[in-house]
Amino acid sequence: AQKITQTQPGMFVQEKEAVTLDCTYDTSDPSYGLFWYKQPSSGEMIFLIYQGSYDQQNATEGRYSLNFQKARKSANLVISASQLGDSAMYFCAMSSEKLTFGTGTRLTIIP
Amino acid sequence: DTGVSQNPRHKITKRGQNVTFRCDPISEHNRLYWYRQTLGQGPEFLTYFQNEAQLEKSRLLSDRFSAERPKGSFSTLEIQRTEQGDSAMYLCASSLWALGGQRTDTQYFGPGTRLTVL
Repeated sequence: AQKITQTQPGMFVQEKEAVTLDCTYDTSDPSYGLFWYKQPSSGEMIFLIYQGSYDQQNATEGRYSLNFQKARKSANLVISASQLGDSAMYFCAMSSEKLTFGTGTRLTIIP
Repeated sequence: DTGVSQNPRHKITKRGQNVTFRCDPISEHNRLYWYRQTLGQGPEFLTYFQNEAQLEKSRLLSDRFSAERPKGSFSTLEIQRTEQGDSAMYLCASSLWALGGQRTDTQYFGPGTRLTVL
């Protein structure tokens, strides 16, 4: 069975600062993918970034980067230069076909 | 708009009634997934299709739930004899899975259907 743990229910960050959202996972599958999704108040899940278990380098997508530490089974999301529009729920998920999600972190950016 | 679409966006029904939701995936995507999300939780997997074949169903999908993807394009999720515990956001996602290729295809989500059972 796969499990995702997000230990930060909520975070408040000043605008323009960097923020790290924590995610740890557990799986016995040798091949898996790790994902981060953003869910604004409108409800739609927006794909942000993907990391494959065999990828040697950490994934980056614009202001998003994924700090992948395989030995620690962690896949933290780093958002650089936070903006007011980054305020949302953020979910970490893993897949070996279907997605298993964590409970999410509510990020609030303070002007 | 070439993203995943879901209809209706909101549904209010009385306990005991049947409801049906529709999902239209991204056109070239061969996999389609259904998830349910309750307040304060992450989405939970319900079922998924590859083309028209239903490959996996969660234990969450009781006998009152049925999903179809008859022509391998759009999908419907029907809930019979709705209960108040069925109130949730129902999310659909699609992905392009390549035979013999990557195992971890990215899933793109629709806006969801919010169901309220009174």
